[in-house]
Amino acid sequence: DAGVTQSPTHLIKTRGQQVTLRCSPKSGHDTVSWYQQALGQGPQFIFQYYEEEERQRGNFPDRFSGHQFPNYSSELNVNALLLGDSALYLCASSSVGTGGAGANVLTFGAGSRLTVL
Amino acid sequence: DQQVKQNSPSLSVQEGRISILNCDYTNSMFDYFLWYKKYPAEGPTFLISISSIKDKNEDGRFTVFLNKSAKHLSLHIVPSQPGDSAVYFCAASYSYTGNQFYFGTGTSLTVIP
Repeated sequence: DAGVTQSPTHLIKTRGQQVTLRCSPKSGHDTVSWYQQALGQGPQFIFQYYEEEERQRGNFPDRFSGHQFPNYSSELNVNALLLGDSALYLCASSSVGTGGAGANVLTFGAGSRLTVL
Repeated sequence: DQQVKQNSPSLSVQEGRISILNCDYTNSMFDYFLWYKKYPAEGPTFLISISSIKDKNEDGRFTVFLNKSAKHLSLHIVPSQPGDSAVYFCAASYSYTGNQFYFGTGTSLTVIP
């Protein structure tokens, strides 16, 4: 059973460029969350998608946007890249369904390592 | 503002001994806590969780303790094994936000054979 898959695994961009990261959730999961993990830090919540809509958002600027497709896969887009956007971007899936309790376990992918020069 | 803190960046323990990893949080609204383990080049993997209605949860060699009054939780690993060497993150959430989790900065555990 495939877990969460992310692509690309590594990429290098320059300041001002735009990037798209992709995520396929674990089979049976319907919710995708994106986290940013800077070097030496813990993962920070960017946003969560359920039923193709952004359900929650963390403290990230509008340059960060996302999308969820009917097959539950998701994309994270970052525009106007800054040096500070260099980080590991983690996608996590879960099966929230219609519930809202924080009792679901996140299954993480291995991440996409973004370097902004 | 770091709402979940892991003040020990690293910990070394002899194989067979107990490993104790600590985590503090500031938000009293948190009601669900998890520990994740992360190996290099892999995503974090779920280890164990605890709800705020409990003060202890056990799963094999892993036990998590929650002290709500102190806003403190700890992960005990007994006995520690070399394969336990990894970075451990604690994470917290509160129900009304669904499963948005707040992570600590991690503790790197090294189990010495």
